[in-house]
Amino acid sequence: GAVVSQHPSRVICKSGTSVKIECRSLDFQATTMFWYRQFPKKSLMLMATSNEGSKATYEQGVEKDKFLINHASLTLSTLTVTSAHPEDSSFYICSAPRGGGVPYEQYFGPGTRLTVT
Amino acid sequence: AQSVAQPEDQVNVAEGNPLTVKCTYSVSGNPYLFWYVQYPNRGLQFLLKYITGDNLVKGSYGFEAEFNKSQTSFHLKKPSALVSDSALYFCAVRDSGDDKIIFGKGTRLHILP
Repeated sequence: GAVVSQHPSRVICKSGTSVKIECRSLDFQATTMFWYRQFPKKSLMLMATSNEGSKATYEQGVEKDKFLINHASLTLSTLTVTSAHPEDSSFYICSAPRGGGVPYEQYFGPGTRLTVT
Repeated sequence: AQSVAQPEDQVNVAEGNPLTVKCTYSVSGNPYLFWYVQYPNRGLQFLLKYITGDNLVKGSYGFEAEFNKSQTSFHLKKPSALVSDSALYFCAVRDSGDDKIIFGKGTRLHILP
C-alpha cells in the first residue's frame, strides 16, 4: 500500500531556532499534501494545504510566517517552524492523497514529535 | 464548511462487550466519512470509510460503522471489544466538494479486562 514518511520522527530544539519537518510520499506522487497539528489531549487540527508549484493554503488562525510550507516536488513537502517557542511543541502529522478522481485515499505519515525547550 | 463532533472524550467498555463510539457531522455537500485509530506516539491508522452504497461499512479489526443520513451520524461499533482496542479514535469527514479532511477531537476508548 501507499506509504507516507516523515522525518525526523522526533526533534528537540532550543527556543528561537527553526526546525524543518519533511513529508514524503514514497511510492506515489502527490500534488497536494496536508499538514496537521495534534495538541495535547488529542485534538487534530488542519494547519494548511501544501500545493506543488504554488503557495500553501493556510487555515484560519495559522501564522503563515511562523509555519513555512514548501512543496518542493511531487513527493516532498516540508514544514518549517520558524523561531520556535515552547508553545509550538506538538505532534505534527502530514497526509497525502493518492489517485485520481473523487474520492481518493488519504495516507498519513507517522508524525513528528517536536519539543521546544 | 464541514465539521465533525465526537461528543464523548472517553468511553469505557468491559472486554467482550459491544462498543460504540459516536460521531456526528455537518457538510454542505455529500459526506465522505472516515474512522481512524491512533496508538500512543503513532500516526493515524485507517479503519474504514463511507463513500456511497450500503450504510453499514465494515473495516479493519472487526470494526464497523453505520452511516445515518437523517441523523447525520457515523457511529463506530464493534460487537465484542478487546483490550487491544484501547486507543484514541478519530472520526473525520470530507465534503464531496472539497479536498480537506476535517477531524473530530477524538474519543479515547478504554477496554477494561
